[in-house]
Formats: sequence, C-alpha cells, structure tokens
Amino acid sequence: QSALTQPASVSGSPGQSITISCTGTSSDVGGYNYVSWYQQHPGNAPKLMIYDVDKRPSGVSNRFSGSKSGNTASLTISGLQAEDEAYYYCSSYTSSSTLYVFGTGTKVTVL
Amino acid sequence: EVQLVESGGGLVQPGGSLRLSCAVFEFTFTNYWMHWVRQAPGKGLVWVSRINSDGSSTSYADSVKGRFTISRDNAKNTLYLQMNSLRAEDTAVYYCARGLGAYYYYIDVWGKGTTVTVSS
Repeated sequence: QSALTQPASVSGSPGQSITISCTGTSSDVGGYNYVSWYQQHPGNAPKLMIYDVDKRPSGVSNRFSGSKSGNTASLTISGLQAEDEAYYYCSSYTSSSTLYVFGTGTKVTVL
Repeated sequence: EVQLVESGGGLVQPGGSLRLSCAVFEFTFTNYWMHWVRQAPGKGLVWVSRINSDGSSTSYADSVKGRFTISRDNAKNTLYLQMNSLRAEDTAVYYCARGLGAYYYYIDVWGKGTTVTVSS
C-alpha cells in the first residue's frame, strides 16, 4: 500500500485561501468516506482537523473545510493566518491489508 | 484532561529489542481501539499497528509484521508495542494514538511521542 499523494508544498498570503489535494485509489480515498486531515507543527504531535471527509472536531476553526471527488480528497484553508503554517497530512481507511494509510504530507507556508 | 504518555524509547543496536508503553489518562480505555504511528526524522507519518478494545484483534503494517507486537493491559490503562529485530529504518518518533469512527480509522488524541534510535 503506497502513501496517498499530496503536493510537497503549498503557499499563500495572509487572508487568501489555499487547497491541499490528497490522491489515492478506489481502494482507499475513492472507496470510503473515511478521510481525515491532521495539522502538525514542527516538534509537536499531529492534531486532528477534519474527519469523515468534511466534519470538523469541536474547537477546530471553520476556516478549515474538507471535500472529496472520486479518488481525490481536499483540504481548504480560508482566510490564511500565520498560525496555519505547518505540515498537513491526509489519511484514509483502506481495503488493503495495511488498513490505514497516510498521505505524503504538505508543507503550508504563509508568505 | 485526556492524555496519552509514551515511554520506553531509546538507543538500541540493530537486531535488538525495545518495549514501548503508553499510559492513558482521563478516559475509559476499554472503550477505544488504539494505534501506534511513527515518524522517521524529517519524514511523514506512517501507521504501524492497531489493537481493538479488548486486545483480541490486532493489525500491522507490512514493514513491521512478524517483528512488532501490539498489546494492552486494560487493568493498567496501558498500551504496549514490543519491537524485536530492530532495523535502522525503524528509527522514528513513535506516537500512541486513540482511534475513533468507522474502523477506528481517525485519530482524535495523540501522545507527544517517544524516540527510538536504532544504530550501532
């Protein structure tokens, strides 16, 4: 089971919106609405931002939203803020023997 | 406060063994499936293993199958990862994590991690 594919980096200016893609296959992203997204600042543990494709946990800003089309899931950050600068990872349940797979990770830079 | 606290990491020679522990606080441990996730230096997150709530079902990534064993002691509110035949490529921060949702696939609580270094 290969990692889900994410762009290595995405950048934007404060106040702008950015979108991070997460591409898998019909065995994972495309086959289930079980996609989650995590934010990780360097040196810290990951933090859950989105689950079940588009649900936000309590306490996560509504500037973060998720969606999915076919084998590709997306995380959109609107009204970009300096504190959003971090790494972001998608994850999905998979029908393969691995069961769970993470994305390759995307570094978000706020210009 | 819900908390996961890992311990047991350290420096070990190739071929050696380590046992990681994860003590959980302020939630009903027996209600949750648990995961171990690792992150090699400068690299991304990789799922390692998961165990169901009563310990009767486990799963492993292909890269650790046959070498690592996940277990839990519900009386002690503690999760374990026994790591044998360690390789340089097992060097990583190991996170203990709580699973939720369908197939317990997403992680809502993470520990701070414990570092494992495999080197001679």
